[in-house]
Amino acid sequence: DAKTTQPNSMESNEEEPVHLPCNHSTISGTDYIHWYRQLPSQGPEYVIHGLTSNVNNRMASLAIAEDRKSSTLILHRATLRDAAVYYCILSGAGSYQLTFGKGTKLSVIP
Amino acid sequence: EAGVVQSPRYKIIEKKQPVAFWCNPISGHNTLYWYLQNLGQGPELLIRYENEEAVDDSQLPKDRFSAERLKGVDSTLKIQPAELGDSAVYLCASSTTPSGRASEQFFGPGTRLTVL
Repeated sequence: DAKTTQPNSMESNEEEPVHLPCNHSTISGTDYIHWYRQLPSQGPEYVIHGLTSNVNNRMASLAIAEDRKSSTLILHRATLRDAAVYYCILSGAGSYQLTFGKGTKLSVIP
Repeated sequence: EAGVVQSPRYKIIEKKQPVAFWCNPISGHNTLYWYLQNLGQGPELLIRYENEEAVDDSQLPKDRFSAERLKGVDSTLKIQPAELGDSAVYLCASSTTPSGRASEQFFGPGTRLTVL
């Protein structure tokens, strides 16, 4: 599976939007983009996934660049509970494995 | 709906001792995963089961690690003997059978192992 690059850490003020970037310049046409997050002392939890089009769900939005070489996870209003490590993962069609990197540690400031 | 259950949550053992971790996946999830997570790193897959069959155990250190999933439901991961470097969090996850792409995985809280 292709690699992803994320910033090590980011900060956000509470109740403001957060844009978490992910670069995946070697993405192939059949790679899905998955986002998981891991709150302190918990296992990772699914956030959102997409292939080509932007996606929205109750937790977040996923904006995928037209060339698919980057994507952005958008949290519309950060809360203290959103403080976590966010992982951007690529998984090819037919590949059932999620390969986690180090992710981005998001801190939310009250 | 109950999530993935793991026990124990914490375990402290002396090196060279055996240790076992237990996982009960979400009901109806045929696929079960064991991951290892070192401090400051993302989880790394150790083994994946489809029902009772281990379909990917290429990352499992088979000299000291073993796993089983009898009857295709609960699973146990064992280390014997444990080494200092095995100190980590062991995560269990489950999902429906993947079809065409990686399925959403549901993770348990993990077992934090400390080897002294």
